[in-house]
Amino acid sequence: NAGVTQTPKFQVLKTGQSMTLQCAQDMNHEYMSWYRQDPGMGLRLIHYSVGAGITDQGEVPNGYNVSRSTTEDFPLRLLSAAPSQTSVYFCASSYSAGPTGELFFGEGSRLTVL
Amino acid sequence: AQSVTQLDSHVSVSEGTPVLLRCNYSSSYSPSLFWYVQHPNKGLQLLLKYTSAATLVKGINGFEAEFKKSETSFHLTKPSAHMSDAAEYFCVLSGGYNKLIFGAGTRLAVHP
Repeated sequence: NAGVTQTPKFQVLKTGQSMTLQCAQDMNHEYMSWYRQDPGMGLRLIHYSVGAGITDQGEVPNGYNVSRSTTEDFPLRLLSAAPSQTSVYFCASSYSAGPTGELFFGEGSRLTVL
Repeated sequence: AQSVTQLDSHVSVSEGTPVLLRCNYSSSYSPSLFWYVQHPNKGLQLLLKYTSAATLVKGINGFEAEFKKSETSFHLTKPSAHMSDAAEYFCVLSGGYNKLIFGAGTRLAVHP
């Protein structure tokens, strides 16, 4: 059981470049989300999805796009990378989108924007 | 406003001694609270959760937390630290549907 798989694990971009962080889960979870982790700030929600075809913005959505064409996949797109997007990105899924649901996390994608 | 405050950014203990990681919260309604652990270069893993049942919650690896409404606290404890407990710990408040509020994290170091 792979759980939540993120690729790539590491990426270096130049300012203005675009890229996609991939996330896939094999637990048939309806809820998926993207967080960014910055030192001393905990995790902040970027975008989330409660099912295929449904996405919504989180706390820090600017500069990022998402789509959810299947239950399994939830890619995060950086349209024009900026140094402020240097961070560690986590994809997480849950069987429940409500307040009591446990989140299952991937191992993270470390992005550096020069 | 809803918020989570982890009172210590770093905690250092000796192996075999008790662990106390402190978390205070602010919520306008009855909260759901979680503790997650993150080992180096790994994703977060749920340790335990409180969802308005028993106020003393037991989790994995010998950790437990007590919900104290009067003190708006949800401190994480373990009677005896192990080297493998060295990690970063996050206190998390459920802020409603689809909204989790993460504390800034507490890094736990365990010395031999």
